[in-house]
Amino acid sequence: KAGVTQTPRYLIKTRGQQVTLSCSPISGHRSVSWYQQTPGQGLQFLFEYFSETQRNKGNFPGRFSGRQFSNSRSEMNVSTLELGDSALYLCASSLAVTQETQYFGPGTRLLVL
Amino acid sequence: AQSVTQLGSHVSVSEGALVLLRCNYSSSVPPYLFWYVQYPNQGLQLLLKYTSAATLVKGINGFEAEFKKSETSFHLTKPSAHMSDAAEYFCAVTSGRGGGNKLTFGTGTQLKVEL
Repeated sequence: KAGVTQTPRYLIKTRGQQVTLSCSPISGHRSVSWYQQTPGQGLQFLFEYFSETQRNKGNFPGRFSGRQFSNSRSEMNVSTLELGDSALYLCASSLAVTQETQYFGPGTRLLVL
Repeated sequence: AQSVTQLGSHVSVSEGALVLLRCNYSSSVPPYLFWYVQYPNQGLQLLLKYTSAATLVKGINGFEAEFKKSETSFHLTKPSAHMSDAAEYFCAVTSGRGGGNKLTFGTGTQLKVEL
């Protein structure tokens, strides 16, 4: 089976712009979660989707949003980018929604200038 | 709330020596615990998972971890380090039944393996 794929792998944006990141889960997986990784804050949970519904949300401002499509693919959007949004954004997929193992993609590295 | 503490942000061992990476957790419900490894410029790779079936969990690449409820610990070990083990290691805990699959991570331990 193919693993979790994320596009694009690298992205450079300027402050105030918006960005959309994409994640394709492992075939058959219906839950997708997003995490932000920075040197200062470490790995932080953004949100989790299951069957197109947001099931859980981390402590991030409303500029961070996401969605999941009927084929389980997910996108996350960050509007009005700030310098502090520079990070590695990781997507993880799992079969179901409760205490399942999460498998991570390679991440999208976002640099905000 | 669940939390994980990893003691030692950097650990250095000689090739062939024992690897011990420490993780302590805090949880109000029986936890599911994980160890992940991250190589430079890559995502996280699952090493092993504790789900209450057995206290000693064997993972990939010769790693294992032992769940000790009395010590609230889940330390990761490997008998003999290899140069290819150099990476960052993260311990994580799930939020419990109402929290879905959300993982709460420790701050990570960078493992250096020296000749």
